[in-house]
Amino acid sequence: GAVVSQHPSWVICKSGTSVKIECRSLDFQATTMFWYRQFPKQSLMLMATSNEGSKATYEQGVEKDKFLINHASLTLSTLTVTSAHPEDSSFYICSARDRASGTYNEQFFGPGTRLTVL
Amino acid sequence: ILNVEQSPQSLHVQEGDSTNFTCSFPSSNFYALHWYRWETAKSPEALFVMTLNGDEKKKGRISATLNTKEGYSYLYIKGSQPEDSATYLCAFENQGGKLIFGQGTELSVKP
Repeated sequence: GAVVSQHPSWVICKSGTSVKIECRSLDFQATTMFWYRQFPKQSLMLMATSNEGSKATYEQGVEKDKFLINHASLTLSTLTVTSAHPEDSSFYICSARDRASGTYNEQFFGPGTRLTVL
Repeated sequence: ILNVEQSPQSLHVQEGDSTNFTCSFPSSNFYALHWYRWETAKSPEALFVMTLNGDEKKKGRISATLNTKEGYSYLYIKGSQPEDSATYLCAFENQGGKLIFGQGTELSVKP
């Protein structure tokens, strides 16, 4: 149980194009999903928190117009990197919190997406 | 700025060795400490959620301890096996429910 899928697993795109990454909870309902970014040799850094049916909350320094997040259902959240540039090349990983989970923020992770912008 | 530090950054051991690594975190605003195991090309897998000072948790050959007063947690692996090779992440959960991750300890177990 508690499986999260993420698609695509890797993507290469040209500078200036937009890329959409999907995150799905396969066997549970996720009221909250999280998007992280990881640069080489660094820790997972939270970009934004999305709650189903409402606007995402972005961390300081993350441009909301560049990283569009949509959480339209209890099992799907998408991250769109708009007008991607080489500095956006990174590893993006999502996680989801089970609607039925307890008081701790136990998150179930997808396998991540490697984005390379040429 | 809250820092979560893990050491060592990487570790190479022989099959059968026991090993341990450390996660240091702020001692204030503590809510929980999470440990994850992350194999290459897979999703991070939750190992433990620890909340009380002095907590000890065990899952097979893997165990963890927690000291919230001094801000550290140890993860122990007894009799390491090649399948234990992975990156082990810890994450500090603050009172606001946010997870702050360390950089991870990359463990390699040679047969």
